[in-house]
Amino acid sequence: DAGVTQSPTHLIKTRGQHVTLRCSPISGHKSVSWYQQVLGQGPQFIFQYYEKEERGRGNFPDRFSARQFPNYSSELNVNALLLGDSALYLCASSFGLALADTQYFGPGTRLTVL
Amino acid sequence: RKEVEQDPGPFNVPEGATVAFNCTYSNSASQSFFWYRQDCRKEPKLLMSVYSSGNEDGRFTAQLNRASQYISLLIRDSKLSDSATYLCVVRVTDSWGKFQFGAGTQVVVTP
Repeated sequence: DAGVTQSPTHLIKTRGQHVTLRCSPISGHKSVSWYQQVLGQGPQFIFQYYEKEERGRGNFPDRFSARQFPNYSSELNVNALLLGDSALYLCASSFGLALADTQYFGPGTRLTVL
Repeated sequence: RKEVEQDPGPFNVPEGATVAFNCTYSNSASQSFFWYRQDCRKEPKLLMSVYSSGNEDGRFTAQLNRASQYISLLIRDSKLSDSATYLCVVRVTDSWGKFQFGAGTQVVVTP
């Protein structure tokens, strides 16, 4: 079975540009979460979606937005990119929202903002 | 104070030795606990869930101490392939179950 997939794997943008990152969850999983991980830190929560609805939002500015599609895939959008947005962006899927549900991560998109 | 704190290490461990490290959490409403492993520039991968009674998976043992609000991970008979960063993860019931990650503990197993 395919795991979580993300695209693109690497991306280079300049300040002020916009970026869209994509994620496909494991088949059967209905929840997708997005994380930002900068070097030397653990992943920081950005969004969680379940059944196409936003269920949680982390402490990120409004430049960050996301959505989930009927097939449970998801997009993360970041507007007006800043140098500090350079990071590994991870998507994780889980079956649902139960506390025991574990999250499985995709390989990530490495974003570099110049 | 960070919600989930870990000793960043590195823990330098001779091959075959035992290493243990803790993770403390601040929210008493935390209900689910996990250890993830992350190799350099790769995604985190689930190592094990942590249950109230403690649990073991091969050479790995996880313990939970709710009174003192920490979880621990012990690795026995360390292998070179155990070199990685170990991330502690906590889920809280008062925040729609979001996953809170620690910054990770780096383990380096040496020949």
